[in-house]
Amino acid sequence: AQKITQTQPGMFVQEKEAVTLDCTYDTSDPSYGLFWYKQPSSGEMIFLIYQGSYDQQNATEGRYSLNFQKARKSANLVISASQLGDSAMYFCAMRFNNAGNMLTFGGGTRLMVKP
Amino acid sequence: DAGVTQSPTHLIKTRGQQVTLRCSPKSGHDTVSWYQQALGQGPQFIFQYYEEEERQRGNFPDRFSGHQFPNYSSELNVNALLLGDSALYLCASSLVGQRTKETQYFGPGTRLLVL
Repeated sequence: AQKITQTQPGMFVQEKEAVTLDCTYDTSDPSYGLFWYKQPSSGEMIFLIYQGSYDQQNATEGRYSLNFQKARKSANLVISASQLGDSAMYFCAMRFNNAGNMLTFGGGTRLMVKP
Repeated sequence: DAGVTQSPTHLIKTRGQQVTLRCSPKSGHDTVSWYQQALGQGPQFIFQYYEEEERQRGNFPDRFSGHQFPNYSSELNVNALLLGDSALYLCASSLVGQRTKETQYFGPGTRLLVL
């Protein structure tokens, strides 16, 4: 069965510094998509970034980038120049080609940005 | 461009009652997925609707049912409510056809409390 693990339940980062949120996964499916979402206390899941398993380059979206290491089955999210508004829960999610259209989520990491 | 909307935002029910949650997808999207997020956990996939039919279902009992209307909006119905059904219910919409790249955009959720 496919599984996603986020090993950091909570993290602190100083404002303006970079932070890496870890995500590892377990699958034998060679085709999959990786997604990161941000969930503020309001509850809405906000899409941040996508990486396909066959993409040659790591994805970037503004201050967000994905450190994708396929052989190690990891897809870590890097947030550069942290802002106070980045304080939220962050979820790694995946769609596996052999599992239809559902997203499978990790347990999340709570990021707290210190002023 | 309207995003995903859900109603109501909050709901309180008692055990044994039935509840209906509603979702309108993002403009241009044709697929709606529903997720249940218990406190402190990642979302769990309930089911997905496309072309007014249930396209895929997660590991949820038959008490959970849904519907999609011709305008792509959707309802989630839960019968015989249990205390354990208390959760944040998230609706996500997407545009079918991009396989693993199909990105789901989430609404603000409905917080259901069962007493």
